Amino acid sequence: DTGVTQSPTHLIKTRGQQVTLRCSPISGHKSVSWYQQVLGQGPQFIFQYYEKEERGRGNFPDRFSARQFPNYSSELNVNALLLGDSALYLCASSLDPGAGGEKLFFGSGTQLSVL
Amino acid sequence: QQQVKQSPQSLIVQKGGISIINCAYENTAFDYFPWYQQFPGKGPALLIAIRPDVSEKKEGRFTISFNKSAKQFSLHIMDSQPGDSATYFCAARGQSSGSARQLTFGSGTQLTVLP
Repeated sequence: DTGVTQSPTHLIKTRGQQVTLRCSPISGHKSVSWYQQVLGQGPQFIFQYYEKEERGRGNFPDRFSARQFPNYSSELNVNALLLGDSALYLCASSLDPGAGGEKLFFGSGTQLSVL
Repeated sequence: QQQVKQSPQSLIVQKGGISIINCAYENTAFDYFPWYQQFPGKGPALLIAIRPDVSEKKEGRFTISFNKSAKQFSLHIMDSQPGDSATYFCAARGQSSGSARQLTFGSGTQLTVLP
């Protein structure tokens, strides 16, 4: 089985631009979560999607949005980029948010640099 | 109340020694406590996890000790090896907005095991 795959691996943008990050979960996993990891800190929860519906949102501004597709892959969009959005964006998949869903499997992330 | 405090920030241990990383939390609604290991350029990988109704869990060289009354838990790595050199994150699962359960991560411990 392949793990969680994320693309691109690295991205450089300038302030004010928009970015789209992509994630494919482990086969059979229906839940996708997004986390932001700033250098030197632990990951911070952004969104969780299950069966194409948003199930939870962390403390992030409305510039952050996401969606999940019928094949359970997901996209994270960030508008009007700020320097502070520079971080490693991690996607994690799990079976479902309920029983057994606590085991999150993370991808290697997309390193976003905002100049 | 959603914070998880982790210490130490960095730890240097000789090969064969015991590595101990500590975490504390405030939110009594947390119901699942995983530890993640992260190597440079990779996403976090689940190492071991515990539920609050258990005081200790051991998997190979890794042990979680959990003190519910003190709201503290710790990771012990026995017979530490140079290959264990990585950043370790504790986490706790709680309720996010909506129906999702989210992980709140500690700030991480950079472990270096000297040969």
